[in-house]
Amino acid sequence: AQRVTQPEKLLSVFKGAPVELKCNYSYSGSPELFWYVQYSRQRLQLLLRHISRESIKGFTADLNKGETSFHLKKPFAQEEDSAMYYCALLPGAGSYQLTFGKGTKLSVIP
Amino acid sequence: DTGVSQNPRHKITKRGQNVTFRCDPISEHNRLYWYRQTLGQGPEFLTYFQNEAQLEKSRLLSDRFSAERPKGSFSTLEIQRTEQGDSAMYLCASSFSSFTRNLQYFGAGTRLSVL
Repeated sequence: AQRVTQPEKLLSVFKGAPVELKCNYSYSGSPELFWYVQYSRQRLQLLLRHISRESIKGFTADLNKGETSFHLKKPFAQEEDSAMYYCALLPGAGSYQLTFGKGTKLSVIP
Repeated sequence: DTGVSQNPRHKITKRGQNVTFRCDPISEHNRLYWYRQTLGQGPEFLTYFQNEAQLEKSRLLSDRFSAERPKGSFSTLEIQRTEQGDSAMYLCASSFSSFTRNLQYFGAGTRLSVL
């Protein structure tokens, strides 16, 4: 069975500092990895998926199959980045069940 | 708002009562999913539909939980004989079923409190 681990419950950084939110996964196949974000009082929304290889709101994430990681990075944190971030895994392109980590709360200090 | 819609937003009930939640997916989406999220945890998959067919329900938490999607549009999740442990946020999501367009879009959720 697949598992997603986000080791940090809370991450506090100063505005302008780099951010790295860690995500490790356990799955024997070739999964799809996602980052979802939930701002205060808003619904869960997709931030990134690994196959898109995009930069959204300055965030990037690279899938490292050797380390089974999909860390989320941003070079300069902004106050509006404060939110709950969830890493999630789909077992394969045609699958349906997202497996989420427990989430990391990012707090950007002005 | 053309996103996933869930009603009610909040439900308070007494232990032993039945509750039903409704989800209206994005209109073009043929897949619909239910998740549950408890405090300090990420969403946990419960069940999903493709059109009106419920293709996976083994993750429903007990036989007190059931879901329907009678005409392949909206869906309902029912919990019978609620228990305090059922208190959680219940999330609905929808997507296309194609390999390249399977992004799941979430609703705002229904928060259930069982007293």
